[in-house]
Amino acid sequence: GNSVTQMEGPVTLSEEAFLTINCTYTATGYPSLFWYVQYPGEGLQLLLKATKADDKGSNKGFEATYRKETTSFHLEKGSVQVSDSAVYFCALSGGVDSSYKLIFGSGTRLLVRP
Amino acid sequence: SAVISQKPSRDICQRGTSLTIQCQVDSQVTMMFWYRQQPGQSLTLIATANQGSEATYESGFVIDKFPISRPNLTFSTLTVSNMSPEDSSIYLCSVWGAGAEAFFGQGTRLTVV
Repeated sequence: GNSVTQMEGPVTLSEEAFLTINCTYTATGYPSLFWYVQYPGEGLQLLLKATKADDKGSNKGFEATYRKETTSFHLEKGSVQVSDSAVYFCALSGGVDSSYKLIFGSGTRLLVRP
Repeated sequence: SAVISQKPSRDICQRGTSLTIQCQVDSQVTMMFWYRQQPGQSLTLIATANQGSEATYESGFVIDKFPISRPNLTFSTLTVSNMSPEDSSIYLCSVWGAGAEAFFGQGTRLTVV
């Protein structure tokens, strides 16, 4: 079945550092890929998405490129801020298994220090 | 986008009791989804609720423990029955928007004592 593997956290960075959170997936067919963010005490918010190979999703300075050849969707940001401290979830949907069922990675907690 | 309201936002319940969580969406949707997020864990799909038919449960979740209602295209409830401390989690309602992306409610933080 479909699955998502994320790098384990927590990830601790200083403000303005470069961020990479690795995400790889296993899926049959052509899934859509997502990054969701969960700020402390809040629900999930969509950060960015990509629906086909080589698509780049971007939002709020975050980027991720759908790489079918490496089955990856790594999240990057050039300069993190304290306000980016949150838990980040990589997820996929679609493919052969199910069009609307979201499969989540384990989540990566990011802590940005001033 | 879709705006999803969940009630209650949090609750502390005694073991052996039941809690019903409500989910209201600001637009009509065919499918509504219920997820569980156990402490420090990722999200797991409990079931898919379709209007006018029985909910479809994922492996490991059963209707007797998590009965779901879906009376119309904008509303659904999830009941957590005969609760134990292991049911302490955040429960989230979700729908898909027209832009092929899923939206989530703020979640219901349940603590069972």
